[in-house]
Amino acid sequence: NAGVTQTPKFQVLKTGQSMTLQCAQDMNHNSMYWYRQDPGMGLRLIYYSASEGTTDKGEVPNGYNVSRLNKREFSLRLESAAPSQTSVYFCASSETSSYNSPLHFGNGTRLTVT
Amino acid sequence: AQTVTQSQPEMSVQEAETVTLSCTYDTSENNYYLFWYKQPPSRQMILVIRQEAYKQQNATENRFSVNFQKAAKSFSLKISDSQLGDTAMYFCAFMKDQAGTALIFGKGTTLSVSS
Repeated sequence: NAGVTQTPKFQVLKTGQSMTLQCAQDMNHNSMYWYRQDPGMGLRLIYYSASEGTTDKGEVPNGYNVSRLNKREFSLRLESAAPSQTSVYFCASSETSSYNSPLHFGNGTRLTVT
Repeated sequence: AQTVTQSQPEMSVQEAETVTLSCTYDTSENNYYLFWYKQPPSRQMILVIRQEAYKQQNATENRFSVNFQKAAKSFSLKISDSQLGDTAMYFCAFMKDQAGTALIFGKGTTLSVSS
């Protein structure tokens, strides 16, 4: 089982460039999430999708957009990258958005914006 | 809004010893859930243990146990008989008992286990 797959693993962007981080899960999970991890800040929720067809803002949504393309895929787009968006991005999924559905995380995408 | 605070950025322990990681949280909810996740150098996030707030009994998973104090809004993780493989960053996390919500994480504690 692949679990949660994120692409790319590494990316360097120049300020103002755009890109889309891809995430796919093969566990038939309903809920998917995007977090960013920064030193000393822990994981902060950017956006999440409790079920196919719905998306909601998390703690730090500014500068990002998301698309729940289908049940498997949840992409994160940076329209105009800024150095403040340099971070490690994690996609996660869970069977449902309830407590008894532990999160399954991808291996992360390390993004550097220069 | 809910917040999760981990006041220990770094901890270290010797193999076979016991270590306790602290976590406090702030919420006005009565029903909620608490979690500890582990992130080793591989960056993979692994669920260690979880606790339902309505349960008074502290959760245990092998060498991992929690001390849940609801009134004090405290949720500490105890690791007994520490092993080198326990070296990782540990995150405390909170979730409301409400459909369509997501986990809120603390900033993490880096634990180093040495021989």
